[in-house]
Amino acid sequence: KNEVEQSPQNLTAQEGEFITINCSYSVGISALHWLQQHPGGGIVSLFMLSSGKKKHGRLIATINIQEKHSSLHITASHPRDSAVYICAVTETSGSRLTFGEGTQLTVNP
Amino acid sequence: NAGVTQTPKFQVLKTGQSMTLQCAQDMNHEYMSWYRQDPGMGLRLIHYSVGAGITDQGEVPNGYNVSRSTTEDFPLRLLSAAPSQTSVYFCASSYARDSSKGANSPLHFGNGTRLTVT
Repeated sequence: KNEVEQSPQNLTAQEGEFITINCSYSVGISALHWLQQHPGGGIVSLFMLSSGKKKHGRLIATINIQEKHSSLHITASHPRDSAVYICAVTETSGSRLTFGEGTQLTVNP
Repeated sequence: NAGVTQTPKFQVLKTGQSMTLQCAQDMNHEYMSWYRQDPGMGLRLIHYSVGAGITDQGEVPNGYNVSRSTTEDFPLRLLSAAPSQTSVYFCASSYARDSSKGANSPLHFGNGTRLTVT
């Protein structure tokens, strides 16, 4: 079992829909990261959080430390949101990041 | 401010050849790391460094060497390329609050190197 599990693996939505991507982890963490990878391959950091909730534009990230779960929400989705979204955790035991396999999101016009 | 610069973008090697992937950052980040990305497996850590002169192994270090002689540069060396090393490689950096918690700030990634070993 991977230490970081994402769901769903693939998600197709219509433009304007509200989207949720989930991340569960099994280790103690000091931070959780949400990353976005576009078809061209570049990876961009969206959020880093260790508690509560963060919002940036149409993106919202939440984390529940007790339940070891985080969600990434996209409101009013747009085709330009089509990308792979990756969850990663920094373990409290060391300096390493552990990554989920990613969620491929496709938003159709 | 160029961020993280990774070169080359593409490389084809024959089995047994050696090469160095370059990574440089101009943000004075203490933490630098190398990952490989393979289909269905997510990003896996190869090596990382929490500061100049300090390196450590990640999840998949075999066949790769690194050094960190300066804060800015963190090259990854393939000693004798094998087809199993065909992958996309990413370099990433971040600030570190202290040397024991290397990646506790947002990560900045290079654009990746697509390596094929035949």
